[in-house]
Amino acid sequence: SQQGEEDPQALSIQEGENATMNCSYKTSINNLQWYRQNSGRGLVHLILIRSNEREKHSGRLRVTLDTSKKSSSLLITASRAADTASYFCAPVGGDKIIFGKGTRLHILP
Amino acid sequence: KAGVTQTPRYLIKTRGQQVTLSCSPISGHRSVSWYQQTPGQGLQFLFEYFSETQRNKGNFPGRFSGRQFSNSRSEMNVSTLELGDSALYLCASKGGTGGPLNYGYTFGSGTRLTVV
Repeated sequence: SQQGEEDPQALSIQEGENATMNCSYKTSINNLQWYRQNSGRGLVHLILIRSNEREKHSGRLRVTLDTSKKSSSLLITASRAADTASYFCAPVGGDKIIFGKGTRLHILP
Repeated sequence: KAGVTQTPRYLIKTRGQQVTLSCSPISGHRSVSWYQQTPGQGLQFLFEYFSETQRNKGNFPGRFSGRQFSNSRSEMNVSTLELGDSALYLCASKGGTGGPLNYGYTFGSGTRLTVV
């Protein structure tokens, strides 16, 4: 199993703007998952993109995957205050998920 | 359907004591994974149980142990508590029979353990 590395570590944007977070990983994967964690709470599964997919949408979320570059991005459009949270990517190639440090997103009013 | 339930929500223990945390997965889920989250180390994988068997284990000392019952409920135990064990302990359940190859995890709200 491997760990994803999210970039940037922290991001502050104005409400209504789009937020983009990136994830890099090192070895081949079966799928890549994104999770959100509000302060002091459990993680919430946002989206899963398989290795043979390039893009996936879910509401205001858009995830891309480039297996040749071993990278993924999560775009949140029209951000809201409730999007303030930490976001984790999880590249899955084995039988467990190893999480990175995440990106802390802060939506400014 | 009910989510993943972790009890207790908060816990304060003294160094040297032991503690048991409980996790009830989503009905029908047989896989339960445990994670420790601290500000310094982030989210670290402890272990995973599937059908009452430990299937994976992270790099934690033997003071950390777990088990899973026939109804898939899981407990983790930490003996001889140290100050550094203060953390948010999260459990996650997953459907299916394999690892996270096809499904995401559903997490509980966690147990906040403070060791004084």
